Amino acid sequence: GQQLNQSPQSMFIQEGEDVSMNCTSSSIFNTWLWYKQDPGEGPVLLIALYKAGELTSNGRLTAQFGITRKDSFLNISASIPSDVGIYFCAGPTGSARQLTFGSGTQLTVLP
Amino acid sequence: SAVISQKPSRDICQRGTSLTIQCQVDSQVTMMFWYRQQPGQSLTLIATANQGSEATYESGFVIDKFPISRPNLTFSTLTVSNMSPEDSSIYLCSVDHQPGADTQYFGPGTRLTVL
Repeated sequence: GQQLNQSPQSMFIQEGEDVSMNCTSSSIFNTWLWYKQDPGEGPVLLIALYKAGELTSNGRLTAQFGITRKDSFLNISASIPSDVGIYFCAGPTGSARQLTFGSGTQLTVLP
Repeated sequence: SAVISQKPSRDICQRGTSLTIQCQVDSQVTMMFWYRQQPGQSLTLIATANQGSEATYESGFVIDKFPISRPNLTFSTLTVSNMSPEDSSIYLCSVDHQPGADTQYFGPGTRLTVL
């Protein structure tokens, strides 16, 4: 099946710094999704992207749908402690549009 | 977005037993999905549950091990049968709240530990 390669696997940053993570695929996706998972919780949808080249923001978060449709980027500006968590990219596949998830990026924000 | 609840939130079970996990949504949805998240890992789809039809299982998952019910448009259950320690995971249900939008909303998960 389709696989999503997400990097980096983990990040340790200082509060106030900007963060960037990305996701690549060998196959084309028509939709890219970014989720955040806090400990003990289910993933929460952050941003959905539907068009190649699209740039979408949600507060301090900005995500881009790559031109080739095989990659996507998520940026977080001016990180704060509550940004800590695991960030996943995901894309729908199959007739039921079931989601394939990336391996996740564990973000730690140091005070 | 839909509000999704799962029961139980966590459980500790003995090997060889079975556990049924419930997923309740606050609105009618067409598609419900069940995922497994093994410790420190990403989410893997177990099956897709459509009301009124048999669940569709992904490669590596079988109905005898993970029977699923979908009796109506707001509820589904996943049973983990004949459990072994390898089944220790977080089990999550999700819904396709806006058909055509490709977005899914997730429940809080059920953390299962098998001894």
